[in-house]
Amino acid sequence: DSGVTQTPKHLITATGQRVTLRCSPRSGDLSVYWYQQSLDQGLQFLIQYYNGEERAKGNILERFSAQQFPDLHSELNLSSLELGDSALYFCASSALETSGNYEQYFGPGTRLTVT
Amino acid sequence: EDKVVQSPLSLVVHEGDTVTLNCSYEVTNFRSLLWYKQEKKAPTFLFMLTSSGIEKKSGRLSSILDKKELFSILNITATQTGDSAVYLCAVGDSNYQLIWGAGTKLIIKP
Repeated sequence: DSGVTQTPKHLITATGQRVTLRCSPRSGDLSVYWYQQSLDQGLQFLIQYYNGEERAKGNILERFSAQQFPDLHSELNLSSLELGDSALYFCASSALETSGNYEQYFGPGTRLTVT
Repeated sequence: EDKVVQSPLSLVVHEGDTVTLNCSYEVTNFRSLLWYKQEKKAPTFLFMLTSSGIEKKSGRLSSILDKKELFSILNITATQTGDSAVYLCAVGDSNYQLIWGAGTKLIIKP
């Protein structure tokens, strides 16, 4: 158990809908990262938040947005969903900026299926 | 553009064999290289390497970094079916980001 929690575990929704994925980082970690992993694909970095502020953006679509709240949990919002958005979405946290340790701890993921 | 390239993309071996997985990188401000194992779930951390030539070892797994030639290898000896997984390599840069490789899918046949 990495200490990172994600909800829900599974989500099935229709095209055009909007969903919110939630992540709670490990206790004490200030950084949260969101990744997308499609079937048999590598990890695609979406976005990073550090202590409530957006730190870096990867290949995140304009239909997707995220935020990190004062209690450090984060939400990833996916809107106008398309079939191609079906994937496993991981959240990871790290204490890099404070510890110098690059290790990211991954949550169990949310499997999104768009029908 | 920074990139991390893993090879081979996939590998099938028999139980008991030794395998070597490769990770090469071109990252402007290298800070560290990490290996992860991913089975049908979240990636789990294996090693972090920051210095050239120093081997890190955990059981049958070992890894080493060459910062001059910009690559790392992950060795698995006496492979077991439980080693079947995707092995991911990532490089940390000065912007606190990890740049990920596409992974090597390793299948161990009994």
